[in-house]
Amino acid sequence: AQSVTQPDIHITVSEGASLELRCNYSYGATPYLFWYVQSPGQGLQLLLKYFSGDTLVQGIKGFEAEFKRSQSSFNLRKPSVHWSDAAEYFCAVGLFNQAGTALIFGKGTTLSVSS
Amino acid sequence: DTEVTQTPKHLVMGMTNKKSLKCEQHMGHRAMYWYKQKAKKPPELMFVYSYEKLSINESVPSRFSPECPNSSLLNLHLHALQPEDSALYLCASSRDINNEQFFGPGTRLTVL
Repeated sequence: AQSVTQPDIHITVSEGASLELRCNYSYGATPYLFWYVQSPGQGLQLLLKYFSGDTLVQGIKGFEAEFKRSQSSFNLRKPSVHWSDAAEYFCAVGLFNQAGTALIFGKGTTLSVSS
Repeated sequence: DTEVTQTPKHLVMGMTNKKSLKCEQHMGHRAMYWYKQKAKKPPELMFVYSYEKLSINESVPSRFSPECPNSSLLNLHLHALQPEDSALYLCASSRDINNEQFFGPGTRLTVL
């Protein structure tokens, strides 16, 4: 069965430090992969997506992610974290078929930023 | 207009009430979605509409009734809900069913 694993439930990073959030997926074919961010009580904002092509994708707010097929991973990175990046981050696999798309989310990683 | 809007932001209802959640987008997207998100959990898909037709129902109880009156609007009608239905209800849209989804801010529902 398709699944997404985010191994880190909670991460604390100092402001200005680099960030890497891990995501592993289980999917039979080439996956469509996404990272979303959610601030408390808010909806989800799409940070970036991978459908095909270049395995290093750039997103909004200075985020990037790298697709590694051999490791079934799609880790999210940012070189310098800002206090406003504190939020919940979800990795997701898109299961596309003729009826529609189901996004399968990981359980999320809570990012805290210390000053 | 590049956003998905949802009303109301908050809703408190009793178990015998009937209420509706509304979602609207003006991006010309032809697929729309309802998700349910419990506290500290990821969103779970409830329904998918493609070209105003229901294409996926993830075995959601009949007390939740979706409606897509036109390509810009998506409603979720609620009746005889249970306290465990309290959650954040998120609407999303995409250009079609095989593109990335954009989410609204959600409706925080509390069932007493």
